[in-house]
Amino acid sequence: DGGITQSPKYLFRKEGQNVTLSCEQNLNHDAMYWYRQDPGQGLRLIYYSQIVNDFQKGDIAEGYSVSREKKESFPLTVTSAQKNPTAFYLCASQGSSGYIQYFGAGTRLSVL
Amino acid sequence: KNQVEQSPQSLIILEGKNCTLQCNYTVSPFSNLRWYKQDTGRGPVSLTIMTFSENTKSNGRYTATLDADTKQSSLHITASQLSDSASYICVVSTDSWGKFQFGAGTQVVVTP
Repeated sequence: DGGITQSPKYLFRKEGQNVTLSCEQNLNHDAMYWYRQDPGQGLRLIYYSQIVNDFQKGDIAEGYSVSREKKESFPLTVTSAQKNPTAFYLCASQGSSGYIQYFGAGTRLSVL
Repeated sequence: KNQVEQSPQSLIILEGKNCTLQCNYTVSPFSNLRWYKQDTGRGPVSLTIMTFSENTKSNGRYTATLDADTKQSSLHITASQLSDSASYICVVSTDSWGKFQFGAGTQVVVTP
């Protein structure tokens, strides 16, 4: 998975609960991304960060929050405001020397 | 309307046969186009990346073409193997870092 570790692999959320998905990379990449994947749809960008302590909203940021306190870490919190959180979540990183994005193995989030 | 349309949505091919997947896009301006392979339950893996000036690129049995004038790309799989069974995703971006438009993918099933 190209040096990107996502955990957990499976996650269950109760109604009204916030949950945090972990994403760690050891590729020394500056940019990191969070995507959501639903069946039959393309990946949709939630948030991305090009540098530590800075991040931008993607197309579907509502109900999600992120932080980028360290270069190697970019956790995603799915808040209770996200009413339809069931999906496959993918984290990616990209270095400055090319266009390749490296993806983690994903976290599958379900609602109890 | 999705700015990246892929066809067919799915296809079944016999092992050893060739196939071609299509990607049409309306994204503008154009920076680069990528093809990814995604195994079920895993993160996507990069196959090829092409910029405006490139019209073909190969990666083993995978060959991608790009016609930036007609905004079309194709991915050709030669002598398919069972391990080629996966979803193939076309991604178009307007810059190197920020937002990428993902196609919904073509699901390829290779049968013995």
